[in-house]
Amino acid sequence: HSALTQPPSASGSPGQSVTISCSGTSSDVGNYNYVSWYQQHPGKAPKLIIYEVSKRPSGVPDRFSGSKSGNTASLTVSGLQAADEADYYCCSYAGGNTLVFGGGTELTVL
Amino acid sequence: QVQLQESGPGLVKPSQTLSLTCTVSGGSISSGGSYWSWIRQLPGKGLEWIGYIRYTGITYYNPSLESRVAISKDTSKNQFSLKLSSVTAADTALYYCARVIDGVAAAGTWGQGTLVTVSS
Repeated sequence: HSALTQPPSASGSPGQSVTISCSGTSSDVGNYNYVSWYQQHPGKAPKLIIYEVSKRPSGVPDRFSGSKSGNTASLTVSGLQAADEADYYCCSYAGGNTLVFGGGTELTVL
Repeated sequence: QVQLQESGPGLVKPSQTLSLTCTVSGGSISSGGSYWSWIRQLPGKGLEWIGYIRYTGITYYNPSLESRVAISKDTSKNQFSLKLSSVTAADTALYYCARVIDGVAAAGTWGQGTLVTVSS
């Protein structure tokens, strides 16, 4: 039940696109289409922005998109804005009614 | 709209039991469709799923914490609770309660979080 692997940091300029990876195993990311992504601003609770790999909850801009290939899931933020500067966490179902999170990625908008 | 609010002591002594409660408003913990969850955030680190309880009362825990964790619910108060025993400084964290949506395994609603420090 090891944590999913994310890069500690990512960055991009306003208007650009940035992709954050989330690496798991065949026991979690690779075996289920239940990957979710969360955005967390400093001092705030995480907010769900992607679920079931690529679906967006109501109100989340379509600049946020998710995908998966094999054991790795990805979050892409297009048209970067200053407000996108935050920590991002992935999460996957890991079987047996358990969940596993990633270590988080700090996104900086240059 | 479902809202969650954590409550409990902010300071716990080593070897004692950490106890937190989450009060749910805007929805019933007795209805299906949700896994009522506890998630923690260690200082400067990522999120860790602790476990959850279904409306049936069935619980599921993180294997790494399972021997020390118990999650229960009080339907009459629309609350669910976390107990973590034999705590050490490594259990110092921001503890969140959250609603995980059944069928999609995603935490759609979170409480604001409560900081618990383990120290003598």
